[in-house]
Amino acid sequence: GENVEQHPSTLSVQEGDSAVIKCTYSDSASNYFPWYKQELGKGPQLIIDIRSNVGEKKDQRIAVTLNKTAKHFSLHITETQPEDSAVYFCAARAPYSGAGSYQLTFGKGTKLSVIP
Amino acid sequence: SQTIHQWPATLVQPVGSPLSLECTVEGTSNPNLYWYRQAAGRGLQLLFYSVGIGQISSEVPQNLSASRPQDRQFILSSKKLLLSDSGFYLCAWTAKGNQPQHFGDGTRLSIL
Repeated sequence: GENVEQHPSTLSVQEGDSAVIKCTYSDSASNYFPWYKQELGKGPQLIIDIRSNVGEKKDQRIAVTLNKTAKHFSLHITETQPEDSAVYFCAARAPYSGAGSYQLTFGKGTKLSVIP
Repeated sequence: SQTIHQWPATLVQPVGSPLSLECTVEGTSNPNLYWYRQAAGRGLQLLFYSVGIGQISSEVPQNLSASRPQDRQFILSSKKLLLSDSGFYLCAWTAKGNQPQHFGDGTRLSIL
């Protein structure tokens, strides 16, 4: 099955600096890669996603890049703010396998701290 | 727009007691539904998923069970809780097809 590795596990940056979180996946058939932000005591919130037919996607200060050859994808947050502090999860999903559920495989998360 | 509700938000139960956590989705029909457990190490472990009423698939052997009595209702249950059942339980949904997955705000379960 799919295996997703996420690095680093913790990351501290100064306010205004950029933050980069990287994930690798094992199943070359995976074609959908979402990123989630989880604040303390809440459920993960989808912040951006990318499909395998696209190499990069941006949404204001957030961007995701995908390298299918290397089987890795990254989250980039520019001009970080204290409210960006949270745990971030990457995930990967393989194409429909007949099971009907399109299951996600998650990385173990990165705790991002933005220091004012 | 679609919303997902989980309750209760927190729950403290004694060992050996039963459990029922409920999840409902609004604003969509025939969703896929999921139960995850998140332990202290932050990882998300898929417990159950359902593609339709009465259809439940289990990902890991455990002390818990799930049911889907209605299209937009997903219930996580146990007859007798164990200490190891403590954790943060998350419900999620997707529309049919290769669509984004959305989470509820979870239930923090503590077993004493």
